[in-house]
Amino acid sequence: DADVTQTPRNRITKTGKRIMLECSQTKGHDRMYWYRQDPGLGLRLIYYSFDVKDINKGEISDGYSVSRQAQAKFSLSLESAIPNQTALYFCATSRGETQYFGPGTRLLVL
Amino acid sequence: QKEVEQDPGPLSVPEGAIVSLNCTYSNSAFQYFMWYRQYSRKGPELLMYTYSSGNKEDGRFTAQVDKSSKYISLFIRDSQPSDSATYLCATRNYGGSQGNLIFGKGTKLSVKP
Repeated sequence: DADVTQTPRNRITKTGKRIMLECSQTKGHDRMYWYRQDPGLGLRLIYYSFDVKDINKGEISDGYSVSRQAQAKFSLSLESAIPNQTALYFCATSRGETQYFGPGTRLLVL
Repeated sequence: QKEVEQDPGPLSVPEGAIVSLNCTYSNSAFQYFMWYRQYSRKGPELLMYTYSSGNKEDGRFTAQVDKSSKYISLFIRDSQPSDSATYLCATRNYGGSQGNLIFGKGTKLSVKP
């Protein structure tokens, strides 16, 4: 079984809809992250959490919110999706200098 | 200027070639340097990690950091078709949190049989 799982793997939604992307990990790591990846822009950090009570904004947090429900679960929400949020979204965990990425969620906002 | 610059390629080489992948960075406070490999439709995975300057070798892969010129490199010897992937450099400063990890845009490599 994968150590970092993301659901859904693919999602199509319409402008203005609220959606949630979920991430679960079995690695026992305290630190979790949400990134988006766009062609030509690379990986950019949206939010990160060092434990259940510690949530921090990353480089591009506007339009996103997160919830750390437990050590193993970290969810990303788009309150009102817009087309420029179409991207590949990755969840990651870390221990030490290594980040472990999930398989990604491909999101299309129409 | 973005803090980490990386040529996106694509880079195409024949099997067995030596590959050189490079990044430049602007912040002299960066101390930790990583290379991640990302296969198509997969998440990135850590390939190499170095602290400060110098070389680090792991099998066919060598990571090199030149802090005087703010230049980081990944060399792949005897490249194989299985090395075809996108390679992302990443860095952060000493004492900075993992939240401050900064990625390059990635270089797409194709190794032809």
